[in-house]
Parts: sequence; C-alpha cells; structure tokens
Amino acid sequence: NAGVTQTPKFRVLKTGQSMTLLCAQDMNHEYMYWYRQDPGMGLRLIHYSVGEGTTAKGEVPDGYNVSRLKKQNFLLGLESAAPSQTSVYFCASSYVGGTGQPQHFGDGTRLSIL
Amino acid sequence: QKEVEQDPGPLSVPEGAIVSLNCTYSNSAFQYFMWYRQYSRKGPELLMYTYSSGNKEDGRFTAQVDKSSKYISLFIRDSQPSDSATYLCAMNQDTPLVFGKGTRLSVIA
Repeated sequence: NAGVTQTPKFRVLKTGQSMTLLCAQDMNHEYMYWYRQDPGMGLRLIHYSVGEGTTAKGEVPDGYNVSRLKKQNFLLGLESAAPSQTSVYFCASSYVGGTGQPQHFGDGTRLSIL
Repeated sequence: QKEVEQDPGPLSVPEGAIVSLNCTYSNSAFQYFMWYRQYSRKGPELLMYTYSSGNKEDGRFTAQVDKSSKYISLFIRDSQPSDSATYLCAMNQDTPLVFGKGTRLSVIA
C-alpha cells in the first residue's frame, strides 16, 4: 500500500534550470496539496487541487506552477529555479478538503538550487 | 499575528517523563484539530484528530482542545526515545489545514 509517492527524492539544480516534481497517490483522494518546509518556517502551502483538472493558489505560489491532469497525480513545476526555492517539498492528499479530513503526506523531495 | 503559534523548542526530556506540547490559534472558526508527528527526513504522519472541544486519548497520547482559550495540547505519557520527533499541530474548518511550525522533541534514554 504505497499511499503518497514523490519522485524524485533528491535533486540538485542550477539557477535558471527547470524541473517537475511528481506526486502520485493510490487512495482515490480528491484533494491534493504541495507544501514546502524550511527551517523555522514550518509547512507552507504552495498550491492545491480540489479535483482533477482544478488548481488553486496557496500561501506561497510565486515561482511555481501545478497541473492535475489525472486524479491520482499532482505535478509541481519550477520554470526557472532560484536559490530561494531550495527546500524540502512535500505532497499530501485527502479524501476531501476543508471539513477536517486528515491529510496524508509523502516523504518529501529535497531540492537544492545552486 | 500568524494564525497558529507553536513553540519550536527544542524540548529535551528524560525517558519516562510526561511531555506537554501546545499550540494557540487566532481563528475562532477552526473546528478540526490534529497533531502530526514527523521523524527526521520523513513526511508528517497523523497522530491524533479531535473535533471541537474536549479530550481524546489513544494509548500514551492525549489531545485536548480548549476553544474558549483557543489553545490545544498534546500530552505524551511515559515518553520513549522512539517519541523523539517534531510534532506539528494543524487545524481547519473550510480551508486547507493550517499548520504550526512544529516542536522538536528529544527523549533521552
């Protein structure tokens, strides 16, 4: 039972390069989320999706784009990576959102931008 | 003022101690309260879930919610070295979960 799987687990990029982080869930959850976690800042919501084909901005969306073409997948893109985007990125999913549904997390992608 | 405040610690206790972790919040609309545990280099995992005010107990863990004071707590009894982790509070009503910054706990054998 995989739950939430993030690919890749580690990545080093140069400033200006682009990349896509992939999140896959096998729990048939409607809602999916992307967070970044930085020392002293906690978890901050980047973007989220309330269903296939939908996306919405979170607390820190600038510099990121997302797509939810399939219910089980949620992609996070960095078009032109900046050192400020060095972070640990977590994907999460929940059956529905808002009304107290717990979120299930992947184990993160550690991204360094040089 | 951030919506959810949590002391980052670190908190270091001897094995067997009772641990108290706390969060305060400002949004009175929050009805659902959760505690997540995050081990080093892992994602957060749900530990406790409480709706509205009151207590909930699960083994060595007790979650308390005081909505009148906008204050939630997690108590760990007979703490073990395996409890060493970062504990994050989270809460919401009709929004994505809002997280505290987490408290790092070390239980020393």
